[in-house]
Amino acid sequence: QKEVEQNSGPLSVPEGAIASLNCTYSDRGSQSFFWYRQYSGKSPELIMFIYSNGDKEDGRFTAQLNKASQYVSLLIRDSQPSDSATYLCASTPGGSYIPTFGRGTSLIVHP
Amino acid sequence: AAGVIQSPRHLIKEKRETATLKCYPIPRHDTVYWYQQGPGQDPQFLISFYEKMQSDKGSIPDRFSAQQFSDYHSELNMSSLELGDSALYFCASSRNSGSGPYNEQFFGPGTRLTVL
Repeated sequence: QKEVEQNSGPLSVPEGAIASLNCTYSDRGSQSFFWYRQYSGKSPELIMFIYSNGDKEDGRFTAQLNKASQYVSLLIRDSQPSDSATYLCASTPGGSYIPTFGRGTSLIVHP
Repeated sequence: AAGVIQSPRHLIKEKRETATLKCYPIPRHDTVYWYQQGPGQDPQFLISFYEKMQSDKGSIPDRFSAQQFSDYHSELNMSSLELGDSALYFCASSRNSGSGPYNEQFFGPGTRLTVL
């Protein structure tokens, strides 16, 4: 079992809808959590990071962290076709600076 | 804003040849990471350097080595290349000194290595 688990998808949502991406992690000592967006053949692009329980909003993106449930999510409001990509969840296990990545969730936003 | 620079962007090699990938981190970033990403896979951590010293080691084959130089750029040296080494190789950098637990990594554009 991977330390960071994500549903591979694809998750398909219509344009303008809210896309909800989920991620669970196994190391309770994990401190930081990241969401990256990766277009095919391109490098991961950092969208959000969160380290405290609760919500963190940045534009159309909201990251949610629940350490008790070991659960991280990313909400994308007003989804656009350009949001279609693979979203990688990552966490830094306790005592390490090295993020562990999930396999990513493929998001498709259709017009 | 300055980003991570990697060169070359594309590289084609024959089996058993060697390859050298270069990475120039974002200015004032003190940590460099190397990742390998195969098709449909998540990035696999290879090795990292903090202030020019190797700091962590992941699933890097013994055929690979890396170093970070005084100007903070890093090179990944790959010898005895195998077909299975064909992948995207990303370099990322972060500023860890005094940054708390955040460790936001910024990725370079990657080098696509094809071994024939």
